[in-house]
Amino acid sequence: EAQVTQNPRYLITVTGKKLTVTCSQNMNHEYMSWYRQDPGLGLRQIYYSMNVEVTDKGDVPEGYKVSRKEKRNFPLILESPSPNQTSLYFCASSQGLSRGTEAFFGQGTRLTVV
Amino acid sequence: QQQVKQSPQSLIVQKGGISIINCAYENTAFDYFPWYQQFPGKGPALLIAIRPDVSEKKEGRFTISFNKSAKQFSLHIMDSQPGDSATYFCAASTTGAGSYQLTFGKGTKLSVIP
Repeated sequence: EAQVTQNPRYLITVTGKKLTVTCSQNMNHEYMSWYRQDPGLGLRQIYYSMNVEVTDKGDVPEGYKVSRKEKRNFPLILESPSPNQTSLYFCASSQGLSRGTEAFFGQGTRLTVV
Repeated sequence: QQQVKQSPQSLIVQKGGISIINCAYENTAFDYFPWYQQFPGKGPALLIAIRPDVSEKKEGRFTISFNKSAKQFSLHIMDSQPGDSATYFCAASTTGAGSYQLTFGKGTKLSVIP
C-alpha cells in the first residue's frame, strides 16, 4: 500500500529537549516536505526536499532542521523546542510538482511543547 | 503575505444542499490549483484539481470553477452529504521546472447537517 508514515503520532515534550519526528514514504517519490497546521492559519510549509541531499526552506523554517540522506526518509528535527512549536505536523511526498502531481500526506504528528 | 485567500472559514449546509468554497490568488504564475479534503485525525488528501486552460472540472458531485481573469477559483459540492463534513483546503502551485511549493489557503471547515 502506497503511504507516508510519520512517527510518533503524538508527542509531549518539554522546552529545550531535542526531538525528531520521522517520515518515510514507500512510493519512490523525489519530493518531500513538512507542514505545520495551526487553527486559523491552515497548512504552512516548513522545509522541502527535491531529492537526496537537496533541501530548502519553506515559509516557516525557524527552529526546525531537516535532512535527506535517503530518498524514502525525511526527518524533522527540533533541536530546542519551544511552546510556539506546539502544532500538528504533516509530512508529504509527491513525484514532483513540475507535473502537477498529487501530494500524499502522512497521518500527522501532534506535538505539544510544555 | 498570504498568496491564496480562502473563504468562508466555516460553513454549515443542510443535507442535499450546495456547498461553495471560494479562493483567490495573487501570483499570476500559479498554474495548478488542487483542492484537498481533510477528515479529523487524518492527513489532507487530494480531492480534485484544475489547470487554468479550462474553466470548469467536474468529478462526481464535486466541481471546480475557475476564473482566470479574476484570479479566483471555487469548489462546489452538489447534494452535500454528512460524509462530506471535513476541512477543505484550496492550494496553488506553479508547474515549471523547480517548482516545489504548494501554497495552501487557510481552510474551510464544512459541516453538513442531516
